[in-house]
Amino acid sequence: QQPVQSPQAVILREGEDAVINCSSSKALYSVHWYRQKHGEAPVFLMILLKGGEQKGHDKISASFNEKKQQSSLYLTASQLSYSGTYFCGTEISSGNTPLVFGKGTRLSVIA
Amino acid sequence: GAVVSQHPSWVICKSGTSVKIECRSLDFQATTMFWYRQFPKQSLMLMATSNEGSKATYEQGVEKDKFLINHASLTLSTLTVTSAHPEDSSFYICSANPGGGYSNQPQHFGDGTRLSIL
Repeated sequence: QQPVQSPQAVILREGEDAVINCSSSKALYSVHWYRQKHGEAPVFLMILLKGGEQKGHDKISASFNEKKQQSSLYLTASQLSYSGTYFCGTEISSGNTPLVFGKGTRLSVIA
Repeated sequence: GAVVSQHPSWVICKSGTSVKIECRSLDFQATTMFWYRQFPKQSLMLMATSNEGSKATYEQGVEKDKFLINHASLTLSTLTVTSAHPEDSSFYICSANPGGGYSNQPQHFGDGTRLSIL
């Protein structure tokens, strides 16, 4: 079942922060976050595994609350290059399984 | 790092034509590859799971006779859109997991194929 992402779209000015949420009705094994720019393939950002994991690099970080079956992506001090559509992809088990993607969150960063 | 190569990047062809898209894992073996389709402003939707040496598994609503998948080697899966029509125009993208799904590595995506049927 497709995870639910919120918000659907957000507009930020450079330097502002944003949070994108991803929730599932099923227990999750992992959550993957991707950013896709128009006309391009998705680019991997990070993977979070079961266990309340948190990760981050540069000014993008994420958390995974397995009990609530939710993950959040945090973008701080946004830059113009952060613009794009963010997708969460979920796995319900380990092993060679496909990702089920949310509908995406369109992020626009303006100067 | 692990790389998935997809070819061609884009195709424009007439209605009724069959189009073959290749997905290769360049530096790892992939017993399983995944094919997704993305319509404009929509999410990536899984079409099928390609299994090396056996039949592909198709998602509900995906016609297996229209979207032929062949996974003849551990590094190559092909998707053939047979007798393509304008409604098949979309962005097709494949992915594979270098760790075979057991080493908690992310899916690696090809660059995608933009298919336009006139």
